[in-house]
Amino acid sequence: DGGITQSPKYLFRKEGQNVTLSCEQNLNHDAMYWYRQDPGQGLRLIYYSQIVNDFQKGDIAEGYSVSREKKESFPLTVTSAQKNPTAFYLCASSIAYAKNIQYFGAGTRLSVL
Amino acid sequence: GDSVTQMEGPVTLSEEAFLTINCTYTATGYPSLFWYVQYPGEGLQLLLKATKADDKGSNKGFEATYRKETTSFHLEKGSVQVSDSAVYFCALSDNDMRFGAGTRLTVKP
Repeated sequence: DGGITQSPKYLFRKEGQNVTLSCEQNLNHDAMYWYRQDPGQGLRLIYYSQIVNDFQKGDIAEGYSVSREKKESFPLTVTSAQKNPTAFYLCASSIAYAKNIQYFGAGTRLSVL
Repeated sequence: GDSVTQMEGPVTLSEEAFLTINCTYTATGYPSLFWYVQYPGEGLQLLLKATKADDKGSNKGFEATYRKETTSFHLEKGSVQVSDSAVYFCALSDNDMRFGAGTRLTVKP
């Protein structure tokens, strides 16, 4: 079945640690996205990638980094510079950037120890 | 920039009641409009969409009509079920995708 797989489902970060969230898609989509969701709030865009080897900052990129070395993969690293990382992180993909349906993974819940 | 404003929740209804969740948007261009649904602990799923003015999106008994004159895309369902309990997000996509804050719906038996 085609879809988006995020792992792990739950992740815990220690103080000063970098952690990486995985996102893999087998939909052959060019565009991929990372969102952050806080309780009672909408989705905020962290980074997006329109094509392999290219990515752009979203609205809240500070403290995060990404790579897009393969079409199917778009990992997100939450660095120690992100002082408030506790949130639900959602990865999405679409055929192309903008005006297209986005397909979402099941999310990763990150907490700070 | 483009933005979406949707009705604040939470909304609590009895089974078989009529549902309306209001959504209005601001956009400089001609965006596509979407409703997504999020069940507890999951990602978002597309519920319905409309790509131009006067289009009506529909799915699973839910409907929304793209009203350019009122810049609205209100979600409606004639008879809700307990299984409809979820968070609903209105979204627009033009150059970027913008999501509303979400409206939590709880349907009681």
